[in-house]
Amino acid sequence: DADVTQTPRNRITKTGKRIMLECSQTKGHDRMYWYRQDPGLGLRLIYYSFDVKDINKGEISDGYSVSRQAQAKFSLSLESAIPNQTALYFCATSDGTGVPKGYTFGSGTRLTVV
Amino acid sequence: KNEVEQSPQNLTAQEGEFITINCSYSVGISALHWLQQHPGGGIVSLFMLSSGKKKHGRLIATINIQEKHSSLHITASHPRDSAVYICAVEETSGSRLTFGEGTQLTVNP
Repeated sequence: DADVTQTPRNRITKTGKRIMLECSQTKGHDRMYWYRQDPGLGLRLIYYSFDVKDINKGEISDGYSVSRQAQAKFSLSLESAIPNQTALYFCATSDGTGVPKGYTFGSGTRLTVV
Repeated sequence: KNEVEQSPQNLTAQEGEFITINCSYSVGISALHWLQQHPGGGIVSLFMLSSGKKKHGRLIATINIQEKHSSLHITASHPRDSAVYICAVEETSGSRLTFGEGTQLTVNP
């Protein structure tokens, strides 16, 4: 099994629908991140969490929410999906101990909003 | 201006050629990461650098902290090296990554 698992791998949804992207990890890392990748742009940070009780907005959090259900699980929700949220979404983890920190990425979720 | 700039954006090479991808950044960092993204999307960490040079197989990564510049070299390139290579920096002011836009490398047989 992958160290960081994202589900679903692909999703097509309609405008206005609520959708949840899930991420689970077996790395035992405290820190988890959600990123969005668009063509021609670098990955951009949506939300991050340094432990179960810590949730922080990233640079593009509008239209998204997250839930850290456990150390190993971090979910990203689009409450009312819109077409410009069509993108490739990545979950990542880091160990948060010492500097610098290693990162592990999931395989990505390709989301299309029609 | 992006905090992390990569060049070139696209690179096409013939099998066997020596390849260099460059990354410049404008912020203070605690580490710089080189990542590889294959078609299909998955991202793999290649290197994490805070100084000097690292080598793994045919891949070499260097960093010059004073010049705020890093390079990724691929020796004896192969078509399976075709991928997007992404530079990302970990700023000293925080614990998050800032990414470059990536370099699309195509190695032709």
